[in-house]
Amino acid sequence: EIVLTQSPGTLSLSPGERATLSCRASQSVSSSYLAWYQQKPGQAPRLLIYGASSRATGIPDRFSGSGSGTDFTLTISRLEPEDFAVYYCQQYGSSVRTFGQGTKVEIK
Amino acid sequence: EVQLVESGGGLVKPGGSLRLSCAASGFTFSSYSMNWVRQAPGKGLEWVSSISSSSSYIYYADSVKGRFTISRDNAKNSLYLQMNSLRAEDTAVYYCARDGGWSPFDYWGQGTLVTVSS
Repeated sequence: EIVLTQSPGTLSLSPGERATLSCRASQSVSSSYLAWYQQKPGQAPRLLIYGASSRATGIPDRFSGSGSGTDFTLTISRLEPEDFAVYYCQQYGSSVRTFGQGTKVEIK
Repeated sequence: EVQLVESGGGLVKPGGSLRLSCAASGFTFSSYSMNWVRQAPGKGLEWVSSISSSSSYIYYADSVKGRFTISRDNAKNSLYLQMNSLRAEDTAVYYCARDGGWSPFDYWGQGTLVTVSS
């Protein structure tokens, strides 16, 4: 089973600032099958990024993903008020899909 | 419009059973793999199980293997999760989610709450 470790656990930032979230895998993620999701309180997760760097339909271009192998990054270039949420990475390159433990982006 | 609607959650005693359902609409259900993902109160997401479009491939998380059974009925556009021998640690919101096969989960339901308590 591939274990995903996200850091930091919490990121305290102000609107307009840049957010950089990390996701590290315990072994190489096949074909960069790495996704990022956003979840707000009381809501289901929403797909942001797939294939490590492709934005899902309707996702603003301030969200970008990068990385390969075992190290992946989600960057939010300039935080908007609606971006404060919890973010999860997920690998879907193995039959046992796994999620990271999440990074909370909170208003400073 | 793609819609996934879960049902069947509720309060059950430890050792009991529950069957969750997920009704799908707005897409060709029989062409997609489906998944169950759960989230314990205040915790992160945990993938539970996956089933391929024709039910040929089924996978489970170790935490539920031997207790939970995923199934689908393509004629009824429905996904199921039979949960047996429930434990307190199975308490969570259970989401169904769609994927295209080795794909991310692009659509999610709103979830159904399962509470295991005496």
